[in-house]
Amino acid sequence: AQSVTQLGSHVSVSEGALVLLRCNYSSSVPPYLFWYVQYPNQGLQLLLKYTTGATLVKGINGFEAEFKKSETSFHLTKPSAHMSDAAEYFCAVTGSQGNLIFGKGTKLSVKP
Amino acid sequence: KAGVTQTPRYLIKTRGQQVTLSCSPISGHRSVSWYQQTPGQGLQFLFEYFSETQRNKGNFPGRFSGRQFSNSRSEMNVSTLELGDSALYLCASSLGLSGLSLNEKLFFGSGTQLSVL
Repeated sequence: AQSVTQLGSHVSVSEGALVLLRCNYSSSVPPYLFWYVQYPNQGLQLLLKYTTGATLVKGINGFEAEFKKSETSFHLTKPSAHMSDAAEYFCAVTGSQGNLIFGKGTKLSVKP
Repeated sequence: KAGVTQTPRYLIKTRGQQVTLSCSPISGHRSVSWYQQTPGQGLQFLFEYFSETQRNKGNFPGRFSGRQFSNSRSEMNVSTLELGDSALYLCASSLGLSGLSLNEKLFFGSGTQLSVL
């Protein structure tokens, strides 16, 4: 069965600092992996996705993630945090029912 | 292009009642998926509709049901509401051309916040 674990329910960084949000997955088949962002009182917005091919995936707003099969990881990074990055981030993997299986989410706070 | 529209935005019901939530997908999208979001369980898949047929289903009891109309608009119904049904219900649409379209981009609505008292 597929599952996703996001390490750290809350992460706080200073503006301009590196953002690193961790995601590990479990999948019995080659996975499709996603990162979504949710701003307060809004739905989810796709940041980036990995299906096949290049393991370093670039997304919107300067975010990128690297698929590491040996580590079953898909960590999300951004070199320099901005105040507008404060939100909740969800990692997801494809499920066997043709759905997305989400992690519990990581709330990112950005301090001025 | 208008985004995914969910109505109502907020809803308050009491235990035992039933509720219907509505989702209008992006024009041209034929697949609509529903997710439940709670602080404890996170985001969980309810079901997906494509061309008026339920194509995939999550592990929710039969009190949760849905349907899709010929214009791709979808409704979700929850009967005999329980306190634990309090959640943000999100719908997402996509073109739906390739199976469950996980290789397509999902567009989410802002959700309906349901509170059961």
